[in-house]
Amino acid sequence: ETGVTQTPRHLVMGMTNKKSLKCEQHLGHNAMYWYKQSAKKPLELMFVYNFKEQTENNSVPSRFSPECPNSSHLFLHLHTLQPEDSALYLCASSLKYGQGPYEQYFGPGTRLTVT
Amino acid sequence: AQSVTQLGSHVSVSEGALVLLRCNYSSSVPPYLFWYVQYPNQGLQLLLKYTSAATLVKGINGFEAEFKKSETSFHLTKPSAHMSDAAEYFCAVSGNNNAGGTSYGKLTFGQGTILTVHP
Repeated sequence: ETGVTQTPRHLVMGMTNKKSLKCEQHLGHNAMYWYKQSAKKPLELMFVYNFKEQTENNSVPSRFSPECPNSSHLFLHLHTLQPEDSALYLCASSLKYGQGPYEQYFGPGTRLTVT
Repeated sequence: AQSVTQLGSHVSVSEGALVLLRCNYSSSVPPYLFWYVQYPNQGLQLLLKYTSAATLVKGINGFEAEFKKSETSFHLTKPSAHMSDAAEYFCAVSGNNNAGGTSYGKLTFGQGTILTVHP
């Protein structure tokens, strides 16, 4: 149990669908992250929110839209995805972003398959 | 800029043997270094971290890593492998100095090393 939960754990969607991934952390952290983990590639940082403000957008296509309504919740809204977007999407949180070795705590991930 | 190279995408050891997973980093500022482990169908779990205190860092599950600045390395070791150690291991680096607008909170991960433990 890491204190970071993600739903759903598995998602299959067509290219014309709209879906959302949800992440919740119960650790009292102030920074939250979305990562993409594809086979044979390093983890790719997608977005960072620090105290609800987006501080990093790692050149992510606009078909991925993050939302952070408060420090405990993070969403990733998906629309008109491509098959190459199939991957494991990991959410993480840390006490803060930057200025310190704030280790990140990861959720179990959502396995996304785009058909 | 920072980067991590993990030498060997797959490492196989016998149960009871030494585990050695290699990590070399590149960073323009003094780094923080981390090792994470990922078991099948799970997220990443922190094993240990280096934060510029002791160069030999002990982590969970009997793992340890040594920071060697001269070699820019942070290799992960465990004296005796257990079947439950089979997983994928990731080395990661972040900068610890907010110089020139560097996103020093940003973790850069290596490509991972899959550890297989044979009975």
